Amino acid sequence: AQSVTQPDIHITVSEGASLELRCNYSYGATPYLFWYVQSPGQGLQLLLKYFSGDTLVQGIKGFEAEFKRSQSSFNLRKPSVHWSDAAEYFCAVARSGGYNKLIFGAGTRLAVHP
Amino acid sequence: EPEVTQTPSHQVTQMGQEVILRCVPISNHLYFYWYRQILGQKVEFLVSFYNNEISEKSEIFDDQFSVERPDGSNFTLKIRSTKLEDSAMYFCASSERGGTGELFFGEGSRLTVL
Repeated sequence: AQSVTQPDIHITVSEGASLELRCNYSYGATPYLFWYVQSPGQGLQLLLKYFSGDTLVQGIKGFEAEFKRSQSSFNLRKPSVHWSDAAEYFCAVARSGGYNKLIFGAGTRLAVHP
Repeated sequence: EPEVTQTPSHQVTQMGQEVILRCVPISNHLYFYWYRQILGQKVEFLVSFYNNEISEKSEIFDDQFSVERPDGSNFTLKIRSTKLEDSAMYFCASSERGGTGELFFGEGSRLTVL
C-alpha cells in the first residue's frame, strides 16, 4: 500500500537560513509526488510536483524538491527562508495516472524566527 | 484568480444530526473531491466525483456519506447521522481534468460534532 512519512513534526529555523523538509514514500511503481503548503486559515496550495523526467523540480515561492528513487525520498528545500514561509507542509503521493487519490503525510509545521 | 470556496467555514452539530457541507468548485473544472483531516492526523481521501457519479471512494466513505452536484455550480457532502468521530476539517478540491490535472483545494469546513 502507498504511504508517506514525514519524520519531522515541527521544525524551527531562523529567517534567512536554509530549509530542508524530509519526505519518504512507499510505493511499488513510479509515484507521482507532491508538496502542498497550508498557511493558517488557508486551503492546501500546491508548491511543486514530480511526475517524471528531471529529478530536481522547481516550485513556487523559491522551493525545490529532489526525487531520489534509491532512497524513496522527495525532500523539499529552500535556500533562504522568509518569515512568510511559516506554515504546515504536506508531502503527498499518488499512483501513476495522477491526482485522483492523494495519500498525504502527517505534515511538518514550520516556524520561522526573526 | 479562480478559487474553490467552501461553506460553512465552521459548523457545530449534535451527534445524530445531518450535516451538509457545500463547495463551489472552479467553474470550468470537471473533477471534484472531498478530503478530510481529523485534528492531529493526516489529510485523508474520501471520494472523487466525475460526470455526476462517484469515480472512487475510500473505506471511510460509508453509507453515512453521500455527495451530490445538485446544480451546475455546487458540490455537496452530506453526512446523514453524524458521529463524534466525524469531527474534522473537510476539504473540497476540484481539477480541470483527471490524471495529471492539478487539484485546487478550498480552505476547508471545520465540523465539530458534540
